[in-house]
Amino acid sequence: DAGVTQSPTHLIKTRGQQVTLRCSPKSGHDTVSWYQQALGQGPQFIFQYYEEEERQRGNFPDRFSGHQFPNYSSELNVNALLLGDSALYLCASSSPGQGRSYTFGSGTRLTVV
Amino acid sequence: AQSVTQLGSHVSVSEGALVLLRCNYSSSVPPYLFWYVQYPNQGLQLLLKYTSAATLVKGINGFEAEFKKSETSFHLTKPSAHMSDAAEYFCAVTPQAGTALIFGKGTTLSVSS
Repeated sequence: DAGVTQSPTHLIKTRGQQVTLRCSPKSGHDTVSWYQQALGQGPQFIFQYYEEEERQRGNFPDRFSGHQFPNYSSELNVNALLLGDSALYLCASSSPGQGRSYTFGSGTRLTVV
Repeated sequence: AQSVTQLGSHVSVSEGALVLLRCNYSSSVPPYLFWYVQYPNQGLQLLLKYTSAATLVKGINGFEAEFKKSETSFHLTKPSAHMSDAAEYFCAVTPQAGTALIFGKGTTLSVSS
């Protein structure tokens, strides 16, 4: 059973560019959350999608946006990249049947130069 | 607002020794509490969770944690450390199942032979 799949695994972008990260949730999961983990820090919540709508949002600027598709997969978009956006971006999916325990993907390592 | 404090950014133990990783939380409502482990270049794996049932929670790989409301603590323990336990450990809290997880800054566990 495939877990949460994220792509790409690594990415290098230039300051000011835009980036799109992708996430396929675990089979049977309908909710996707995105987290940013800076080096040496704990993950920080960006936003959560359910039924193709943003249900909850963390303290991140509007440069961070997302989308959820009918098949429950999700994208995270970041515009006007800053050096400080360099981090590991984690996707987590969940389903009501599991009491909302999140399954995390391995992440996308974004480096902004 | 919820918050998590992990006491000790680094913990070093010998193989076979007791592992104790400390977590204190702040929550205005009865919380859901989690411990996750992260190995290098990987995502987060759930060790155990507290959801207001038994206060002593048993997880995977021999780990357990005890919820102590009076101390607002949820410390993680393992009776005997293995080399394979060396990793980063994160405590997380959420006020409601399915909402954003708030993570601590993490504790790096080193195990020496």
